[in-house]
Amino acid sequence: KQEVTQIPAALSVPEGENLVLNCSFTDSAIYNLQWFRQDPGKGLTSLLLIQSSQREQTSGRLNASLDKSSGRSTLYIAASQPGDSATYLCAVSDRGFNKFYFGSGTKLNVKP
Amino acid sequence: DGGITQSPKYLFRKEGQNVTLSCEQNLNHDAMYWYRQDPGQGLRLIYYSQIVNDFQKGDIAEGYSVSREKKESFPLTVTSAQKNPTAFYLCASSTEQGAGYTFGSGTRLTVV
Repeated sequence: KQEVTQIPAALSVPEGENLVLNCSFTDSAIYNLQWFRQDPGKGLTSLLLIQSSQREQTSGRLNASLDKSSGRSTLYIAASQPGDSATYLCAVSDRGFNKFYFGSGTKLNVKP
Repeated sequence: DGGITQSPKYLFRKEGQNVTLSCEQNLNHDAMYWYRQDPGQGLRLIYYSQIVNDFQKGDIAEGYSVSREKKESFPLTVTSAQKNPTAFYLCASSTEQGAGYTFGSGTRLTVV
């Protein structure tokens, strides 16, 4: 069974710092990997989707990389802002159907 | 605007009662999903449906039931057999190929 781990569980940084969130998964036979953002008490918003054949995706200040062979993905956030404060969840999907296995998230706090 | 609507936002259940959570989407998505989220944990899949009148159990289906009579609707019933139902419930939808994965804003269920 796929296991997804996210490190660190929580992170507090001053505004303007560049930061890296880590995600690892145990079964490299994934269909795709997706990073989500969740604000308190809210649903999830998709940030970046990386297909299994891709190595990275970029959107604005966000860059996500994927290394299937080592079972790792990183989310890089450049020039962090207080509005980036949220929980970031990593999820990988099975081949055959697009149900996702989620990590427990990294709770980010960006201090003004 | 297209999206997913979950209702109610908050729900209280007495022990021994069945309750039904609503999920409606107007994105013309074929696939719909129900996830459960407990504090400090990632999402776990309860049920999913790829097409109308068909659905499959996820990882934690015991004590839950679903129906998919219409493409737009995928209600979840939390039965009295679910011994620990207090949680945040999230509904999602996607195309059959998994694109456009979109979450609703969630329903917080509390047993009183």
